[in-house]
Amino acid sequence: NTKITQSPRYLILGRANKSLECEQHLGHNAMYWYKQSAEKPPELMFLYNLKQLIRNETVPSRFIPECPDSSKLLLHISAVDPEDSAVYFCASRRDSYSDYTFGSGTRLLVI
Amino acid sequence: QQQVRQSPQSLTVWEGETAILNCSYENSAFDYFPWYQQFPGEGPALLISILSVSDKKEDGRFTIFFNKREKKLSLHIADSQPGDSATYFCAASSNYGNEKITFGAGTKLTIKP
Repeated sequence: NTKITQSPRYLILGRANKSLECEQHLGHNAMYWYKQSAEKPPELMFLYNLKQLIRNETVPSRFIPECPDSSKLLLHISAVDPEDSAVYFCASRRDSYSDYTFGSGTRLLVI
Repeated sequence: QQQVRQSPQSLTVWEGETAILNCSYENSAFDYFPWYQQFPGEGPALLISILSVSDKKEDGRFTIFFNKREKKLSLHIADSQPGDSATYFCAASSNYGNEKITFGAGTKLTIKP
């Protein structure tokens, strides 16, 4: 999926800090971070609409989102925990009445 | 409380048969129901969706049947192909345009050739 690019694709960490990156080339106004654990559905973590944080779901404070511009989204993770092992998807949509486009995800493994 | 429920958890059908995936919901305010298809190693992708004002939506081999009174819907995949093997998520949102979408737990579909 080249419409939304995520990096890195795979990440193996001990208790370290790292940032996940996402960029969408669709001109969408809203961008999201979803977490998908094994055999589970995606769960919303954060939502940005026109660079403003609209909804901040109940996630650990070690996760900090950042939206440097309307096409980019970052997820900073400090002192990762084994329970953070999951796939992190970036998604976007033009507006609330449009459908999501998901990226291919970053697979995070905490050891 | 799980607001969107899917069954079965996994389903295997033979190539050419019709696969039927079920979904039910609890929130009467839900009015938009997209189905997402997810292949291993990829993100979910929108397959087909329906608004609660309709009782049926077709797109090629994929059909959604919607029963508002019973709060149930189903996805029918006709003439199923091995390439349809994937996990299918039923999702829902209220007041079409709401920022939040609720996903079901998914049905893992396997098509045997």
